[in-house]
Amino acid sequence: AQSVAQPEDQVNVAEGNPLTVKCTYSVSGNPYLFWYVQYPNRGLQFLLKYITGDNLVKGSYGFEAEFNKSQTSFHLKKPSALVSDSALYFCAVRDPEANTGFQKLVFGTGTRLLVSP
Amino acid sequence: EAGVTQFPSHSVIEKGQTVTLRCDPISGHDNLYWYRRVMGKEIKFLLHFVKESKQDESGMPNNRFLAERTGGTYSTLKVQPAELEDSGVYFCASSQRGSSYEQYFGPGTRLTVT
Repeated sequence: AQSVAQPEDQVNVAEGNPLTVKCTYSVSGNPYLFWYVQYPNRGLQFLLKYITGDNLVKGSYGFEAEFNKSQTSFHLKKPSALVSDSALYFCAVRDPEANTGFQKLVFGTGTRLLVSP
Repeated sequence: EAGVTQFPSHSVIEKGQTVTLRCDPISGHDNLYWYRRVMGKEIKFLLHFVKESKQDESGMPNNRFLAERTGGTYSTLKVQPAELEDSGVYFCASSQRGSSYEQYFGPGTRLTVT
């Protein structure tokens, strides 16, 4: 069964500094990987995805993520953090090769990002 | 283009009562999903519709939960009778047909069972 781990409950970074939010996954086949962000009192907003191809994917608001198959990781990064990036970030995986449930997303527990001025 | 909408945004009910949540997907999206986040934990899959058919309901916790999508448009999720452990945020998502498309989520319904 697929699973996702987000090892940090919270990440603190100063505005202007680079940020990384960690995610590792486990699937039997080749994964589809996603990052979502939840701002206060809002729904989940899609940021970016890895399906195939280039291991570095770029998404909304200057975020990017790197797929690393050998380390089974998909860390979210941004070169320069903004205070407005403060939110809850979720990593998710799909196993498109699963016999059943190949469409469902399996989420991590979320990482709260706090960017200080 | 309107996003995924959910109604109500909040619901507070007593244990043993019935609650019905509604989700309107993005127009033209055949796939509709329900997820739940309980007690600040991970977001867990409940079920998946393709048009009006249940494709995968492996995440439904028990038979107190009933999901429908009549006509393949909006969907409802009924909890009857509600228990304390059903409290959480219920998210609906939709996506286009095709395996690589991302799911777009609604704002969620926060359910509190007292």
